[in-house]
Amino acid sequence: GESVGLHLPTLSVQEGDNSIINCAYSNSASDYFIWYKQESGKGPQFIIDIRSNMDKRQGQRVTVLLNKTVKHLSLQIAATQPGDSAVYFCAGKGGKLIFGQGTELSVKP
Amino acid sequence: KAGVTQTPRYLIKTRGQQVTLSCSPISGHRSVSWYQQTPGQGLQFLFEYFSETQRNKGNFPGRFSGRQFSNSRSEMNVSTLELGDSALYLCASSWSERGSSSSTDTQYFGPGTRLTVL
Repeated sequence: GESVGLHLPTLSVQEGDNSIINCAYSNSASDYFIWYKQESGKGPQFIIDIRSNMDKRQGQRVTVLLNKTVKHLSLQIAATQPGDSAVYFCAGKGGKLIFGQGTELSVKP
Repeated sequence: KAGVTQTPRYLIKTRGQQVTLSCSPISGHRSVSWYQQTPGQGLQFLFEYFSETQRNKGNFPGRFSGRQFSNSRSEMNVSTLELGDSALYLCASSWSERGSSSSTDTQYFGPGTRLTVL
């Protein structure tokens, strides 16, 4: 069946370093991908999205890379800050939205 | 513009009871989706409503149902509650300009309803 998975459940980085969170998906029909950030006690918050006809998209301090050949996408956060500490989900959509399990990002001061 | 609101925020029920959760989408959004979030299973899609019609459904038993009203507000109902239904129930809304599922609709989530079944 469809699945979207993350390579690591936790990631710890030093403040100021760059963070890279990876995600793999299985459904070739997924044509739209989103990264969400979820802080404790809150619902997921949209960060950035990318359509399948693109391989890179940049936002403010965040970049998403999409490799359709190996069905992999990544979220890069530049100059990671303590406020970036949260659980990050990737999601793929080809009809309904399928979420990965999430990676918990911890930022050390 | 106000975000997605969900009520109640917290709920405690006992096994066998039923529960109704409410979601008010962002003004102008016509699509509402519901998700169940648990530590073990992550975020799982329950169903999506658009213009008062269910147009997508996840793999949940028939005890889980929902509806959408003409003002796009949505409710979900869980009957005969089980311990495993304890979870954070999230609602998300999107604009969804077409009558069929559009890949580029960004979903905006509410804070969720924390349901505990004892």
